[in-house]
Amino acid sequence: DTGVSQDPRHKITKRGQNVTFRCDPISEHNRLYWYRQTLGQGPEFLTYFQNEAQLEKSRLLSDRFSAERPKGSFSTLEIQRTEQGDSAMYLCASSLGGNTQYFGPGTRLTVL
Amino acid sequence: SQQGEEDPQALSIQEGENATMNCSYKTSINNLQWYRQNSGRGLVHLILIRSNEREKHSGRLRVTLDTSKKSSSLLITASRAADTASYFCATDVGAQKLVFGQGTRLTINP
Repeated sequence: DTGVSQDPRHKITKRGQNVTFRCDPISEHNRLYWYRQTLGQGPEFLTYFQNEAQLEKSRLLSDRFSAERPKGSFSTLEIQRTEQGDSAMYLCASSLGGNTQYFGPGTRLTVL
Repeated sequence: SQQGEEDPQALSIQEGENATMNCSYKTSINNLQWYRQNSGRGLVHLILIRSNEREKHSGRLRVTLDTSKKSSSLLITASRAADTASYFCATDVGAQKLVFGQGTRLTINP
């Protein structure tokens, strides 16, 4: 257990539905990252926050995706109008400054 | 796009043997990190080596870094069944994110 928690651990949804995932980072960590991992691949960066500011977004993050970190603590990642191609493991990580990133257990999304 | 490439993609060895995995990358880095991932789980940080370091040890792990060749290796000595997992290298290029390779799937046979 790294201290980063994610909820839910698994989500099955139908195409076209909206889903929201939550990440709780290690409490003193000011940076929070979201990655996506498909089967057999390494994680790919989606976005990151420093405190409550979203400082970078990948081109992978289409306009159907939105992430927030309203008070600089937990973060949510919402996917609107889900597509089958969104099926993946969504990983959250946190760090103190630019140091080691600690990953949560991930949320596995299956879009039917 | 993925910066790192691990080699081999899959490795199967007997318990007690040493396992070596290699990682190559394309651009200059601040540091390189190795992570382990058990099937369907999150990533566990193993070791970080900075660009000005050449070798680092942590328990049964030994990591080397050759910035001239843009490559790194991870050696696990005296392997155990519990080492069965996927291993990823990740490069920090100073862009506030990690860029991962595709990973090496390591299987330790009893």
